[in-house]
Amino acid sequence: KAGVTQTPRYLIKTRGQQVTLSCSPISGHRSVSWYQQTPGQGLQFLFEYFSETQRNKGNFPGRFSGRQFSNSRSEMNVSTLELGDSALYLCASSFPDRGVSGANVLTFGAGSRLTVL
Amino acid sequence: GQSLEQPSEVTAVEGAIVQINCTYQTSGFYGLSWYQQHDGGAPTFLSYNALDGLEETGRFSSFLSRSDSYGYLLLQELQMKDSASYFCAVWGSQGNLIFGKGTKLSVKP
Repeated sequence: KAGVTQTPRYLIKTRGQQVTLSCSPISGHRSVSWYQQTPGQGLQFLFEYFSETQRNKGNFPGRFSGRQFSNSRSEMNVSTLELGDSALYLCASSFPDRGVSGANVLTFGAGSRLTVL
Repeated sequence: GQSLEQPSEVTAVEGAIVQINCTYQTSGFYGLSWYQQHDGGAPTFLSYNALDGLEETGRFSSFLSRSDSYGYLLLQELQMKDSASYFCAVWGSQGNLIFGKGTKLSVKP
């Protein structure tokens, strides 16, 4: 069973540019979450998509956006890049939908490491 | 809001036992999870506690005390490959998993 696939793995951009990151979840997983990981702030929640709808959103500016396609693949976009956007962007998928038990397990991809110069 | 506190670093020797503590504050509690992340790797799920007590999975155990808003991850018979960052996490009121800032475990020979 293939895991969560994120592309590209590494990328370098300059300030002001935009970037699009892609995530293919595990087959059958319908929920996709995105996290930003930095040494200082740890893992911070960006947003979650379920059945093509954004279900939750973290405290990030509107420059950060995402979407999910009918096959559950997801993309996130960051516009007008800033130096502080340099981070590891992690995507995670889960099944079943986060149940009332809260025992839902996130399976993470290896991440996309973005460097903004 | 929700927050989790865990030590930033822990060092131990091979074969020893180490305990990584986690205290949390959350409105609505749906269990405490633990994830492991090796340098350059993806976080991977280790354990989940919904009820008080100890859950054991091989060399790893996780404990929860809901009345104390406290849990810990216990790693026994430490191996060099256990050197990694360990994150505790709780589900937030918005339905997203909120992580602590992680504990970097270094296992020395």
